[in-house]
Amino acid sequence: AQKVTQAQTEISVVEKEDVTLDCVYETRDTTYYLFWYKQPPSGELVFLIRRNSFDEQNEISGRYSWNFQKSTSSFNFTITASQVVDSAVYFCALTPAGGTSYGKLTFGQGTILTVHP
Amino acid sequence: DSGVTQTPKHLITATGQRVTLRCSPRSGDLSVYWYQQSLDQGLQFLIQYYNGEERAKGNILERFSAQQFPDLHSELNLSSLELGDSALYFCASSVVGLAANEQFFGPGTRLTVL
Repeated sequence: AQKVTQAQTEISVVEKEDVTLDCVYETRDTTYYLFWYKQPPSGELVFLIRRNSFDEQNEISGRYSWNFQKSTSSFNFTITASQVVDSAVYFCALTPAGGTSYGKLTFGQGTILTVHP
Repeated sequence: DSGVTQTPKHLITATGQRVTLRCSPRSGDLSVYWYQQSLDQGLQFLIQYYNGEERAKGNILERFSAQQFPDLHSELNLSSLELGDSALYFCASSVVGLAANEQFFGPGTRLTVL
């Protein structure tokens, strides 16, 4: 069985602070994909990043960066110089890369990020 | 805008009733996924269809059923509704039924059962 744990239920920061959202996962699959999604107050789910289990390179996209560490089964997400528009619920998700469950996303419980002006 | 459309946006109904949620995937996407988001259970995978055939099943109740039609749109049918079925139901689509591909989510249908 797969499991995704996002330790922080809620985080509150002031604009321009850096913030890191933690994600720890459990899976028996040797190959898998990890995702981060953003859910703004409007409710839709917005894709942020996909990472496969073979690629442990960190990735940076503008103010967003992701740190994937297979040894600790973690896939953490950092927002640098946070902005009010970053306020949303962020979900980490996992799916196996093959087998009968591929495509089935297992989500963490989400982290509510509030950025105050 | 992800290109995935869901109708209706909101649905209010009573216990015991039956409703149908509709999803149109992005043009060219063959795979459709349904997810339920509730306060109790969080975001949960319900079911996946690929080119008209059921591909994977998650925590979908027997009172719920889905199908994907030849034009690739999908419907999720919820029957004998209970208060606990109140949730946000998302549809997502991807190019093929592969995990590597990003799933594009629709705006969701908010179901309220009174």
